[in-house]
Amino acid sequence: AQKITQTQPGMFVQEKEAVTLDCTYDTSDQSYGLFWYKQPSSGEMIFLIYQGSYDEQNATEGRYSLNFQKARKSANLVISASQLGDSAMYFCAMREGGRAAGNKLTFGGGTRVLVKP
Amino acid sequence: ETGVTQTPRHLVMGMTNKKSLKCEQHLGHNAMYWYKQSAKKPLELMFVYNFKEQTENNSVPSRFSPECPNSSHLFLHLHTLQPEDSALYLCASSQLGLAGGPGTGELFFGEGSRLTVL
Repeated sequence: AQKITQTQPGMFVQEKEAVTLDCTYDTSDQSYGLFWYKQPSSGEMIFLIYQGSYDEQNATEGRYSLNFQKARKSANLVISASQLGDSAMYFCAMREGGRAAGNKLTFGGGTRVLVKP
Repeated sequence: ETGVTQTPRHLVMGMTNKKSLKCEQHLGHNAMYWYKQSAKKPLELMFVYNFKEQTENNSVPSRFSPECPNSSHLFLHLHTLQPEDSALYLCASSQLGLAGGPGTGELFFGEGSRLTVL
């Protein structure tokens, strides 16, 4: 079974509108972390936002917020006020386990976002 | 200088060649990683080095040979590759916490080396 599932292969969004990117995960660990990365056409993976499994509040970073629903094992990314520069691939990732896990991340298949002017 | 630098950015090689990919991080991190990104597949973790020691080899074929001479440099030596090895190879670094725990957590990636095997 896939550990990280992103069901939307591609999305169009109108400039200045909000967009939600879906991510569900599968783990039996109590301690884990969830990440979102952006990959523009240049190839570099850019860290956007992090949510720890024990964090009670949803993470926010500027225009990015993470809608964390632990019971449903979902960690959706919301991008508000989309900009043309937001056009990119977006990846959800998970780090399982506690201290011994280090920082190994498992990635989903990604969602391509295209912002229309 | 950018945080994580990878060279070369593009590489074309024949199946009998030997080449190396280089990664350098300027962030003072103590862990480094190689990931493979193939078309239409999720990123695949290949190798992990914590404090210069290899802690993960994710069933990678022996034609890929990593080397981590110090905490700032990571190499991926390539020999007798196959066309299906063509991919974007991404290097990343992170800061581990005490006793090798997650620390700050996030990985910082380079721009990748795009490899084409003919």
